[in-house]
Amino acid sequence: AQSVTQLGSHVSVSEGALVLLRCNYSSSVPPYLFWYVQYPNQGLQLLLKYTSAATLVKGINGFEAEFKKSETSFHLTKPSAHMSDAAEYFCAVSDMGDKIIFGKGTRLHILP
Amino acid sequence: GAGVSQSPRYKVTKRGQDVALRCDPISGHVSLYWYRQALGQGPEFLTYFNYEAQQDKSGLPNDRFSAERPEGSISTLTIQRTEQRDSAMYRCASSPDGGTRGYNEQFFGPGTRLTVL
Repeated sequence: AQSVTQLGSHVSVSEGALVLLRCNYSSSVPPYLFWYVQYPNQGLQLLLKYTSAATLVKGINGFEAEFKKSETSFHLTKPSAHMSDAAEYFCAVSDMGDKIIFGKGTRLHILP
Repeated sequence: GAGVSQSPRYKVTKRGQDVALRCDPISGHVSLYWYRQALGQGPEFLTYFNYEAQQDKSGLPNDRFSAERPEGSISTLTIQRTEQRDSAMYRCASSPDGGTRGYNEQFFGPGTRLTVL
């Protein structure tokens, strides 16, 4: 069965600092991996996706993630945090089917 | 163009009542998905359709939950005899294809917040 584990339900970083949100996955087949962001009172928005092409994936708003098969990880990073990045972030995995399995989410807080 | 819309946005009901939640996907999208998101959790898969055919309903928690998409567009998720534990955000998503390539870009609606008293 597929699953994702997000380390840390809450992460706080200072404005301008590096953002690192951790995600580890479990999958019996080569996975498709996603990061979604949820702003308050809004729907989920796709940040980026890994679909077995380049292992370093660039997304919107300056975010990127690197697929590391040996570590079964897909951590999300951004070099410099902005106040507008405060939101909840979900890592997700899908196999060759259509079902997407989401992690529990990490709430990112940006400190001024 | 319009995104995925859901109605109502908020629904408060009494225990034992039936509720129907509606999802209007992006025009032309083949696949439609339903998720449930409890507070502090990620979305949990319930069921999905390709066109009007229900492909997977393994995530529906019990037989009080059902979904349909009779014309391959709008979908309704129905919960019969609601219970307090059904309180959650119910999210709908659609994607352009049937996931045959194994990768799904799902576009999410704003959700319906269901509260069962």
